[in-house]
Amino acid sequence: DGGITQSPKYLFRKEGQNVTLSCEQNLNHDAMYWYRQDPGQGLRLIYYSQIVNDFQKGDIAEGYSVSREKKESFPLTVTSAQKNPTAFYLCASSPQLTGNNQPQHFGDGTRLSIL
Amino acid sequence: SQQGEEDPQALSIQEGENATMNCSYKTSINNLQWYRQNSGRGLVHLILIRSNEREKHSGRLRVTLDTSKKSSSLLITASRAADTASYFCALSGAGSYQLTFGKGTKLSVIP
Repeated sequence: DGGITQSPKYLFRKEGQNVTLSCEQNLNHDAMYWYRQDPGQGLRLIYYSQIVNDFQKGDIAEGYSVSREKKESFPLTVTSAQKNPTAFYLCASSPQLTGNNQPQHFGDGTRLSIL
Repeated sequence: SQQGEEDPQALSIQEGENATMNCSYKTSINNLQWYRQNSGRGLVHLILIRSNEREKHSGRLRVTLDTSKKSSSLLITASRAADTASYFCALSGAGSYQLTFGKGTKLSVIP
């Protein structure tokens, strides 16, 4: 079955450490997204990519970085510059960017905590 | 980018009852989408309604959109315990590639 796989499910970060969250999709979608969700809050967009080797900052990109070297993969790195990284991170994809009336498909998230 | 605002924040009903949740917004939209999130899981897309549409159905779900009032509603009929989840509206603004999410309505269906 097609879908989005996020790993790991749980991740712990030490002070000053960079960590990378994996997101892989086999839906053949062009567009991919990273969101951050804090308790009782909606999703906030970190980065999005509409095609390989291209990505754009979302509303809260500071302290994060991404790459899009393959269509299937869109890893997110939480850098040491992100001072409050504890959150639930969700990866999503859509056939094209959402402005073209496209629904998004989500992975099951990675919960990141500080040690 | 604008954010939708869901109402109520929390809703508790008995199994078999209908559940209605609302989403209001402030500026023009291209489309409005509803998603469900079970605890600790990702979001699942339910319905997308375009700005030129007024109503859509999918199984026990009915979504309406009133662009003059800048509001949408999601109705779940004959609710089941398995409908217990948080429900989010998400807006695609006119001319924007982003999808912005509200804070959600937490629905509890009591067996």
